[in-house]
Amino acid sequence: SYVLTQPPSVSVAPGQTARVTCGGNNVAIKRVHWYQQKPGQAPALVVHDNSDRPSGIPERFSGSNSGTTATLTISRVEAGDEADYYCQVWDRFSEHMYVFGTGTTVTVL
Amino acid sequence: QLQLHESGSGLVKPSQTLSLTCAVSGGSINNGDYSWSWIRQSAGKGLEWIAYIHYGGSTYDNPSLNNRVTISLDRSKNQISLQLRSVSAADTAFYYCASVSRMNAFDIWGQGTMVTVSS
Repeated sequence: SYVLTQPPSVSVAPGQTARVTCGGNNVAIKRVHWYQQKPGQAPALVVHDNSDRPSGIPERFSGSNSGTTATLTISRVEAGDEADYYCQVWDRFSEHMYVFGTGTTVTVL
Repeated sequence: QLQLHESGSGLVKPSQTLSLTCAVSGGSINNGDYSWSWIRQSAGKGLEWIAYIHYGGSTYDNPSLNNRVTISLDRSKNQISLQLRSVSAADTAFYYCASVSRMNAFDIWGQGTMVTVSS
């Protein structure tokens, strides 16, 4: 089945830029979606279709997808961005269909 | 604005069936703009997709769950249901329902409901 690999953790100082990667075989041909999950809360969609933001999501959140790596970029990081982040794809050829990445904890120093 | 609210059996005995419902408000499950899924998360772990149902009724489920899953629509109640048979401690988790966009993103999530499998 299709596998998406993320680094377990990313640390960033306030005001700096955090980059969360999501690696997968030929991931560039898939639409990658990103979710933010704060402690005790349900996940929430922050980027869909590689680089689009749902309404209400700050422009500080952006995404890209190229080659074997998709990236979620959080600019001008704030304390409230501390959370777990998951990437996700739909793989029509995989029996598992909806695949989540392993998750990354973003810590704001 | 679409809202989802999960409810159901919080404590299930091993080998029995877990039953959950997801009440949809602010929209109709018959609306062709959405399909629906269940997703779960064990304590301290990542997200695992369980099952999907198209607004037209076709279904898909995660083969890792060994054909124990039934997902269905109750159109009269505007709800999505999940049944997971022959549960074990490994099925203890937070269970979420979510709407699925045309581009296969989980765009609206319920708050989730905790299910514990224990005798």
